[in-house]
Amino acid sequence: AQSVTQLGSHVSVSEGALVLLRCNYSSSVPPYLFWYVQYPNQGLQLLLKYTTGATLVKGINGFEAEFKKSETSFHLTKPSAHMSDAAEYFCAARRPSGTYKYIFGTGTRLKVLA
Amino acid sequence: GAVVSQHPSRVICKSGTSVKIECRSLDFQATTMFWYRQFPKQSLMLMATSNEGSKATYEQGVEKDKFLINHASLTLSTLTVTSAHPEDSSFYICSARGAGIHHYGYTFGSGTRLTVV
Repeated sequence: AQSVTQLGSHVSVSEGALVLLRCNYSSSVPPYLFWYVQYPNQGLQLLLKYTTGATLVKGINGFEAEFKKSETSFHLTKPSAHMSDAAEYFCAARRPSGTYKYIFGTGTRLKVLA
Repeated sequence: GAVVSQHPSRVICKSGTSVKIECRSLDFQATTMFWYRQFPKQSLMLMATSNEGSKATYEQGVEKDKFLINHASLTLSTLTVTSAHPEDSSFYICSARGAGIHHYGYTFGSGTRLTVV
């Protein structure tokens, strides 16, 4: 069965420090992978996605993620945290074909310290 | 870009009444729409998947008679919470999948905060 695991429900970083949010997936076939950000009382905004091709993908707001098949990981990074990055981040996966349902991780709340 | 409008953003209703939430794709045709429920500080739980013109497919444990989903057109899906009770209070989010360029990523609505008193 497909699953997505996000290590660390809460992550705190200082402003200007590296952001690293972890995501691992479990799937019989390499899935499509996504990172979404959610601000309080809002929907989800797509940060970036991996489908095929280049394994390092760049997204909005300076975020990027690298798909590592050998590690079944898709960690999200940003070189320098900004106060506005404080939010909830969700990793999601779905099969390349067949059902179009997402499987979401449990989310990581990022706190940025001044 | 693809935009999904969800309305209302907040609603407070009395226990026993019904509430309708709308989800509209503004600039693309949504062949599939998904409805999620999110409890405080938790992840999104898929409730149901709806395809235009056909009955919704509900996830295990979701009462289809309580959460009525209608996807009558390629731009509109509605979720009606019938006979709402305080335990139905939650954040409900829709997302839409279109064909073509929207195939990989889905667009989410801004969510509806339902409070049943």
